[in-house]
Amino acid sequence: NAGVTQTPKFQVLKTGQSMTLQCAQDMNHEYMSWYRQDPGMGLRLIHYSVGAGITDQGEVPNGYNVSRSTTEDFPLRLLSAAPSQTSVYFCASRDSTGGYTFGSGTRLTVV
Amino acid sequence: GQQLNQSPQSMFIQEGEDVSMNCTSSSIFNTWLWYKQEPGEGPVLLIALYKAGELTSNGRLTAQFGITRKDSFLNISASIPSDVGIYFCAGMTGTASKLTFGTGTRLQVTL
Repeated sequence: NAGVTQTPKFQVLKTGQSMTLQCAQDMNHEYMSWYRQDPGMGLRLIHYSVGAGITDQGEVPNGYNVSRSTTEDFPLRLLSAAPSQTSVYFCASRDSTGGYTFGSGTRLTVV
Repeated sequence: GQQLNQSPQSMFIQEGEDVSMNCTSSSIFNTWLWYKQEPGEGPVLLIALYKAGELTSNGRLTAQFGITRKDSFLNISASIPSDVGIYFCAGMTGTASKLTFGTGTRLQVTL
């Protein structure tokens, strides 16, 4: 039972490059979300999805796109990376009782 | 957006000591959660609180849901080296709502 799987674990991008952070869960959870973690700021919600085909913005959505074509996958896209997007990104899914399961994170550096 | 203030920001304690940390909010939550994050990993749920005034234990950890529903406390008794990590509080207004995180308390335990 893998839970929430994120890839890659580490990534370095040049300013202006694009990339997709992958997130997959095998628990059949409807709700999935993306957070970024920066020093001294806790985890902040970027985008979330309450089910396949439905996405919405969180607290800090600018510069990021998401889609949810299947229940299992919820990729996060950076269309034109900026140094301000250097962060650790966490994907999480939630069960029907409100319990969250987090992936192990993707550490992104934009130079 | 909602803000969760967590204190202290960091703690350096000796093995065997007890630890207390708290979290306060500018608005009401119906669920309080406490997570622990170890280096290179995502947050892992420690304790969930669902009722105002509730006191819940998980081994050496005890957490309380404040009566006003705007605060929560976490205590760790007889700390050990593996308690090292960052502890986050998080609040939800309901099991179907988004999670708002505190800024974290970094705990270091010395022998």
